[in-house]
This record gives sequence, structure tokens and C-alpha cells, in this order.
Amino acid sequence: DIQMTQSPSTLSASVGDRVTITCRASQSISSWLAWYQQKPGKAPKLLIYKASSLESGVPSRFSGSGSGTEFTLTISSLQPDDFATYFCQQYNIALTFGGGTKVEIK
Amino acid sequence: EVQLVESGGDLVQPGGSLRLSCAASGFTFNSYGMSWVRQAPGKGLEWVSGISGSGGSTNYADSVKGRFTISRDNSKNILDLQMNSLRAEDTAVYYCAKSPEPGYNYCMDVWGKGTTVTVS
Repeated sequence: DIQMTQSPSTLSASVGDRVTITCRASQSISSWLAWYQQKPGKAPKLLIYKASSLESGVPSRFSGSGSGTEFTLTISSLQPDDFATYFCQQYNIALTFGGGTKVEIK
Repeated sequence: EVQLVESGGDLVQPGGSLRLSCAASGFTFNSYGMSWVRQAPGKGLEWVSGISGSGGSTNYADSVKGRFTISRDNSKNILDLQMNSLRAEDTAVYYCAKSPEPGYNYCMDVWGKGTTVTVS
């Protein structure tokens, strides 16, 4: 099984900050990686697919990069609506999620 | 509007069975793979099972293999998950999710609101 490791598990930031979340795969997954945002009591929402493609309707302050085993999700200027938990997911072999990164208010 | 609505979640005793359903609308159901993803209380996301648009291909997480069965009725736009031999560790919110492709081995672009299964 491919393991996905996210870091950090918690991140404290302020509105306007640039935020970067990292996701590492236990083996190469090419660019088969997605990022999701989840708010408490709600379903996850797709932000990024194929490592760097922005899902329709998602603000351009969100961006993804990476390939192989290391990936990043960047929020260029954190907005109040962005405080949430973020998950990566690989879909190269089966489907596995990272453990999540909670972005909280500093 | 593309929509997925789960139902069937309940409180069940260990060893019991439960059948979850997901009603899909707003898209051509048989053209897309579907998955069930669960989230235990306070925990992360776990993919449970997936099925191709035609229903001809299915797969399961090791944690549920042999106990859960995924199926779909493309004439009624319904996705099901039959869960047998339930364990306490199956307690979770179960989400139905749509793939943007005919297969299930992709990201998930539409999610339902979830249905809660409690095994106790």
C-alpha cells in the first residue's frame, strides 16, 4: 500500500499569510495527487487534482505543485474562509489519504 | 445541480449488518465511477470501496474486504454499500463520492453530506 504523510499536522497562521502544506508518498505516484479542504461537520471539497490542476470554482490563491513523491499545497494569502483541515489523496495505486493538516487561527 | 444523498446510517450491534444507499442526481450516473469514503470520529479520511461506471469493476480497502459489498443500480441512479460483520472500528461517517472519470481510481469531485454508522 502507498502511505501518504502530511506535514505539519497543525499549522497556526494569520489572515494574509502564505501557507504551505507538504504531502509525501511512500513511493512514486507520478502526478496522481489531489488536495481537499474539509470544514467541521462538512464533506471534503476538491481543490486540486493531478497535483497542480485547480478545480473549477476554487480561488486562484490555492495552488499545488510536485511530482513523484513530494507535493505541496500553497495558499498564497490566507483568507478567513480558509481555516479548515486539508487532506492529500493519491490515486496512482488504489486510493489513500494523508492524515490531514489543520490550519488554525494564530 | 449535481447531488449525492446518502441514507441508511444507524446504530447497530457488533456483528450486525447495515445497507447504505446513495441517490445520485444531476449527472449521467453510469458514466462515472463512485466510491465510499469514511471518517471515524475525530480522524482522517479512509477510502472504503469503489466501483466503475458500468459496475463491472470493484475494489475494497483491506480493512473491509470480505465484509462489505459495493453495488450500483444504473437504472435508478443508486449506489449501495452492504456492510456485514460490523465491528466497533467501522463506526464513522460514510460519504458517497463521485469520480470525474468512468473508473473509480481517481480523485473525487462531488461528495454527499454523509451518513453516520455507529457500531456499539
